Amino acid sequence: DAKTTQPNSMESNEEEPVHLPCNHSTISGTDYIHWYRQLPSQGPEYVIHGLTSNVNNRMASLAIAEDRKSSTLILHRATLRDAAVYYCILRDVYKLVFGAGTILRVKS
Amino acid sequence: GAGVSQSPSNKVTEKGKDVELRCDPISGHTALYWYRQSLGQGLEFLIYFQGNSAPDKSGLPSDRFSAERTGGSVSTLTIQRTQQEDSAVYLCASSLRPPRGDEAQYFGPGTRLLVL
Repeated sequence: DAKTTQPNSMESNEEEPVHLPCNHSTISGTDYIHWYRQLPSQGPEYVIHGLTSNVNNRMASLAIAEDRKSSTLILHRATLRDAAVYYCILRDVYKLVFGAGTILRVKS
Repeated sequence: GAGVSQSPSNKVTEKGKDVELRCDPISGHTALYWYRQSLGQGLEFLIYFQGNSAPDKSGLPSDRFSAERTGGSVSTLTIQRTQQEDSAVYLCASSLRPPRGDEAQYFGPGTRLLVL
C-alpha cells in the first residue's frame, strides 16, 4: 500500500484557517487522495477526496500538488468542533489504510 | 437520513466467550466494511462485502473471526473464544456503490469490546 506522511500534531486558533499537509511521494497514477477525520469517541468521518485537481466542499478544501506527491487539507475557519485526528489516505480499491494521522488541536 | 448503526455500543465479555457484533449499513449501500481500532493503534481493515459475498477476508486476524452479510444489508461479525487482545473498537462502514477509488465510506459509531 502506498504510504502517506503527516505531522503528528498541529495547533490552531479558533476562527483561523488551518493547513494540514500530507506527503505521498509513492502515489500511483490511479490513487485517489482521501481525507477522513475522527472526533473523540466517534467513528471516522469522510471529509474530502481528489485525484488531480483541487477540490472544495462544504467541509474543507483539498489542494493537490501538480506532481501529486503532496496535498494539503484546508479548513477555512477552524472551530472547536474541528479538533480531531485527520487522516490522509491513498485509497486502495476497496479498503482504507489508515496511518497515525495528525492530531489537530484548536484553541479558543 | 439514517447513518450506519452498530450494536451493541459497548460489550464486556469474559475470555473464551463468543461475541456477535451487528452492523446496519445505510439503506441502499451495496458495499460494507469492517475495521478494528485497538487502543493506541490505528484502524486496520478486517473484511469487506459486496452484496452478500466477501471478496477479501485477508484482514481477519485469525480463524476465530468470521463475518456474514444477509440480504445485502445487515452484517454480523462473530468472534469465537475471545481473547484479551481482541479488546478494541470494531467499526463498520458502508458505501453506496461497489468499491472504487473515488467512493467515500461512511462509518458507524463502533462497538467497544472489552474482553476480561
